[in-house]
Amino acid sequence: TQLLEQSPQFLSIQEGENLTVYCNSSSVFSSLQWYRQEPGEGPVLLVTVVTGGEVKKLKRLTFQFGDARKDSSLHITAAQTGDTGLYLCADSYGNKLVFGAGTILRVKS
Amino acid sequence: NAGVMQNPRHLVRRRGQEARLRCSPMKGHSHVYWYRQLPEEGLKFMVYLQKENIIDESGMPKERFSAEFPKEGPSILRIQQVVRGDSAAYFCASSPLAAVSYNEQFFGPGTRLTVL
Repeated sequence: TQLLEQSPQFLSIQEGENLTVYCNSSSVFSSLQWYRQEPGEGPVLLVTVVTGGEVKKLKRLTFQFGDARKDSSLHITAAQTGDTGLYLCADSYGNKLVFGAGTILRVKS
Repeated sequence: NAGVMQNPRHLVRRRGQEARLRCSPMKGHSHVYWYRQLPEEGLKFMVYLQKENIIDESGMPKERFSAEFPKEGPSILRIQQVVRGDSAAYFCASSPLAAVSYNEQFFGPGTRLTVL
């Protein structure tokens, strides 16, 4: 059974700071997806990465996929209070998504 | 293009009652997935359906839980004789036809079930 580990579990920072969160898998990812979930809402897909070494940017968010396709990072530059939420990574396992436990990010003003 | 819709958003039931959760996928999406989120367990897959067919129910508890996706109308997740341990957020996701390669799924806002 694939295990996805996300770190840190919780991160509290000031607005304007940079941060990185990580996702590691016990096996090679089929395809890695990052989601953000705000309290009381469903996860929202941020990005899908497929190719080892791939880097994708979404405004202030930079997603990197490890060369061996077993790890990924999400870097946020100049965090804003609107970035607050639960960041989840997920892998496609057959028909379903397998999620990590997530990183809870709190950005304080 | 409307996103995935779920209703009700909040549902309160007493132990032993039935809970029915509804999900309308995004327009053009024919694949529906149900997930459950518990605070201590994270987001877990329950069942995958296509129109009129259950494809994968490996994450569904064997008793009291059932799901359907009829030819017409929304997908329904049904929980009979609810117990307090069923209290959780239930999310529906959908994907378009032939999304297997990346399996990108788009989630609804969820139904928060509270069992008293």
